[in-house]
Amino acid sequence: QQQVKQSPQSLIVQKGGISIINCAYENTAFDYFPWYQQFPGKGPALLIAIRPDVSEKKEGRFTISFNKSAKQFSLHIMDSQPGDSATYFCAAEVASNYQLIWGAGTKLIIKP
Amino acid sequence: DAGITQSPRYKITETGRQVTLMCHQTWSHSYMFWYRQDLGHGLRLIYYSAAADITDKGEVPDGYVVSRSKTENFPLTLESATRSQTSVYFCASRALGGQVDTQYFGPGTRLTVL
Repeated sequence: QQQVKQSPQSLIVQKGGISIINCAYENTAFDYFPWYQQFPGKGPALLIAIRPDVSEKKEGRFTISFNKSAKQFSLHIMDSQPGDSATYFCAAEVASNYQLIWGAGTKLIIKP
Repeated sequence: DAGITQSPRYKITETGRQVTLMCHQTWSHSYMFWYRQDLGHGLRLIYYSAAADITDKGEVPDGYVVSRSKTENFPLTLESATRSQTSVYFCASRALGGQVDTQYFGPGTRLTVL
């Protein structure tokens, strides 16, 4: 089954706090797991991505944690800032044709 | 301008009319994609193309037609627009391999079908 489940649907975090968004997948044919950030009126843009041969990837304040056996991955935003307020999408890429299967998105609001 | 562009950015049309949304990329990426984005559904793939003259259906292809005669262009046509096709449409492109594995998105076209 090609599906990616994302939670929560919306999230409010205080400035300086940690934002955590979770995703789960079922298809083991996925080999690339990107997170995209989307601001209102704009197209999604790659934030950070991971391949299943590593369990964690960190870029600045953004970290992906990946649990291959549980088929779950999550995005952690440390020291969350108001400028991080956006919609975040997880996705999983099908190796054979680069199709991305998308989560439904999480609307993140960082309160100052 | 380098990158991926979409036109028009906004379009209002009537039920039954034919509408074509344009997508142009300057990177010569092999793969191109069309998505629609609706509240509560995230992004859903309509069609994709692996190269010029090679296209394939995605998750929600009904009511849409694509063509790709040149690598850089990937137009999406709604042959007879319906109200359910009111949505924001995004085009994306992706290179084969490379250092950064990602789809690059255009700014979107907001389509309203009355």
